[in-house]
Formats: sequence, C-alpha cells, structure tokens
Amino acid sequence: DAKTTQPPSMDCAEGRAANLPCNHSTISGNEYVYWYRQIHSQGPQYIIHGLKNNETNEMASLIITEDRKSSTLILPHATLRDTAVYYCIVRTRSNSGYALNFGKGTSLLVTP
Amino acid sequence: GAVVSQHPSWVICKSGTSVKIECRSLDFQATTMFWYRQFPKQSLMLMATSNEGSKATYEQGVEKDKFLINHASLTLSTLTVTSAHPEDSSFYICSASLDEAFFGQGTRLTVV
Repeated sequence: DAKTTQPPSMDCAEGRAANLPCNHSTISGNEYVYWYRQIHSQGPQYIIHGLKNNETNEMASLIITEDRKSSTLILPHATLRDTAVYYCIVRTRSNSGYALNFGKGTSLLVTP
Repeated sequence: GAVVSQHPSWVICKSGTSVKIECRSLDFQATTMFWYRQFPKQSLMLMATSNEGSKATYEQGVEKDKFLINHASLTLSTLTVTSAHPEDSSFYICSASLDEAFFGQGTRLTVV
C-alpha cells in the first residue's frame, strides 16, 4: 500500500471548515484513498473514501487532486466533537477482510 | 452501517492472570477479523489476523503463545492475553471489514 504523509496537528475554530491534507505521491492506479478518525479512547471510525472523483457524504467531503498525489478531507462545519486523530490511508479496494496500515495521522483540535 | 462490538470496554487485572477480550460482528459474517494494539500517544499497530476455522496469523514480534486468538464462529473472535504483565497494558482494538473496515470500541487493559 502507498505511504501517506499528513501534518501531525491542526487547529480549527468551531463552526469553521476543517481542511485536512494528505500526500500520497506514490499512489497506484487501483488504490483508493480512505479516511478514518479516532476520537480519544475509542475505536477508529470510517469517514469517507474515493478513487479519483471528489466524494461527499453526511460527514465530510473528499477532494482528490487530478494527479491523485494528494487529497484533502473537508469537515464543512467543525464541532467540538470532531476533535480527533484523522488518518489518511491508501489501499486497494477489497470485499474480503483486510487490515489497515495506520500512520501517525493528524491530530485535529477544534476550539470554541 | 455494519457494527463491530467489543467487550469489555476496560479491564484491570493482576499480573500473571489471563484476560479474554471478545469481538463480535453484529450484523454481518466475518471470516477474518483483526486485532490491533495501541500504546499511549501512538498509532494502531496490527497484532494478528484472526481466521475463522483456522489458526491466526501473527505480525512479527507478537508472541502467539501469549496472545491467544480463537475465531470459532463467523461472528466472534476472542483475544486472550495470557500471564499478563504490566507491559501488556494497552488499548486493544478489533476490526472486521466489508467494503470499509469497522472497528470495535476498544478495550483498555491495565495490568497491575
């Protein structure tokens, strides 16, 4: 699986958009970009994933650059409950069981 | 979405005793489940892959005789930490996947 690089930490004011970047310059053509987050003392939670098109769901939007070497997770209106470590993971898609290779992620702090 | 349930959420045990942690997929069958360990301020590290009806596979450096894994049904995997010591104190998390990976709530193990 391709390696990803994320900033170690970011701050965001409550109510503002949180834009979390991820570099994955070695991504291959059949690899997807996945985002998970982990709130303190909880298991990770799936957020969103994409291949090359931008994606949006009820939690977030995912913007992938045209060359697919980087992406940005957008939380449009951050709340205090969005404070968590966000992990960007690149991997091939599979319908069978698979483990995830977690890097260090970005620790997002949403402030009042 | 799919749910993975882990029990207990936290446990305190005496050094030398064994502790069993359960991981259940509540609304889907999982032939493969995964066990991770997370030390404070670190990322999740894959410990082992639990395979229904066959032996688990362990990551390098993880002692199979210490971390016993049983996957007797398609919805239940158990991790038993045998002869626990204080250095085994950690946050243990299980996972099962369909299209996306789903994680249990985690188990905080403290060995005193």
